[in-house]
Amino acid sequence: QKEVEQDPGPLSVPEGAIVSLNCTYSNSAFQYFMWYRQYSRKGPELLMYTYSSGNKEDGRFTAQVDKSSKYISLFIRDSQPSDSATYLCAMSVEGQNFVFGPGTRLSVLP
Amino acid sequence: NAGVTQTPKFQVLKTGQSMTLQCAQDMNHNSMYWYRQDPGMGLRLIYYSASEGTTDKGEVPNGYNVSRLNKREFSLRLESAAPSQTSVYFCATRFGGIQYFGAGTRLSVL
Repeated sequence: QKEVEQDPGPLSVPEGAIVSLNCTYSNSAFQYFMWYRQYSRKGPELLMYTYSSGNKEDGRFTAQVDKSSKYISLFIRDSQPSDSATYLCAMSVEGQNFVFGPGTRLSVLP
Repeated sequence: NAGVTQTPKFQVLKTGQSMTLQCAQDMNHNSMYWYRQDPGMGLRLIYYSASEGTTDKGEVPNGYNVSRLNKREFSLRLESAAPSQTSVYFCATRFGGIQYFGAGTRLSVL
């Protein structure tokens, strides 16, 4: 079993839709949970991070962590064509190396 | 504030040639990383440096060497490039549980 699983997509949605992106993981020691956005031919850009469990909201983006289910989610409300990118989840334990999901490619169609 | 800067952005090599990928950061972070990103494989850790003067192997270190020149700079060297090293290379720093990435170097080995 891979440490982090993520559906690679591609996922296509119409503009204005609510998007749900998810990752599951197996290591219960993970403390930091991150979402990166990567545009084509660019480096990953930190979008949101959460320490331990709970929700975090930033504008149209909401990150959720459910440690009991080992499941994290990123919700995008009122999706825009500019949200079209690959979204990578990442996790870590303090002082240890990061583990990344393979990324989900999202297309928001005008 | 440039963050993490990688040079060059693009490079084409012939099999057997050598080259060094440069990474510099102005974030004053202790930890620095080199990843490669291949389609369907996600980000894989090549080498990392927890602090100036220390380096350690990651998941895929074969064929690479690194130098942590000072706190700001962390270089990745390919001594004898092979077609299997065709990839996009990312440098990253770390602060606490979060990583910050450069824009990447796109390398082709013919």
